[in-house]
Amino acid sequence: DVKVTQSSRYLVKRTGEKVFLECVQDMDHENMFWYRQDPGLGLRLIYFSYDVKMKEKGDIPEGYSVSREKKERFSLILESASTNQTSMYLCASSYMGRYGYTFGSGTRLTVV
Amino acid sequence: KNQVEQSPQSLIILEGKNCTLQCNYTVSPFSNLRWYKQDTGRGPVSLTIMTFSENTKSNGRYTATLDADTKQSSLHITASQLSDSASYICVVSGDTGTASKLTFGTGTRLQVTL
Repeated sequence: DVKVTQSSRYLVKRTGEKVFLECVQDMDHENMFWYRQDPGLGLRLIYFSYDVKMKEKGDIPEGYSVSREKKERFSLILESASTNQTSMYLCASSYMGRYGYTFGSGTRLTVV
Repeated sequence: KNQVEQSPQSLIILEGKNCTLQCNYTVSPFSNLRWYKQDTGRGPVSLTIMTFSENTKSNGRYTATLDADTKQSSLHITASQLSDSASYICVVSGDTGTASKLTFGTGTRLQVTL
């Protein structure tokens, strides 16, 4: 069964901390994505990557960066966490093309 | 601007009843439309994917329809169960070449009660 694994289900961090959210997929997918999900706003794309070391900004990249050193791993970095980054973060992956998006279980991040 | 609108925002039904969720979209170009089920605190799980040429697709008690002319889709749930309680998200994919970008609806929150 295909899998997208996010390293943490719940995280609590302090304002100003550097935060790493990790995502690993075992499907040899080219594309990987990071979204955040907030009530009433739906999922919003932060960054995506279509190849190793390649990245593109999504709709809301401010305050975030990403790293993709290996095909199976896509990391989201909050350089200096702020309370407005408290949210549910979802990683997804897909083959090059249009089908078969698979989501991870999500990381609920609380910044205090 | 690409948009996906879902209705109703929330819905409460009795176990065993049927329900229909709606999705209207203004995404162009259009590649496919997906329905996802998201349990509280979990990631979305795909229920159906439909391309332009498909107008109905079933997955067990879930049946999705697509009218590409009117840009509308519906998700019909038959004989609802308590485990159907979740958010249902409509997602439309545009064809952007190297990596599709998805436009998400904000979801319909369904609660099935005894």
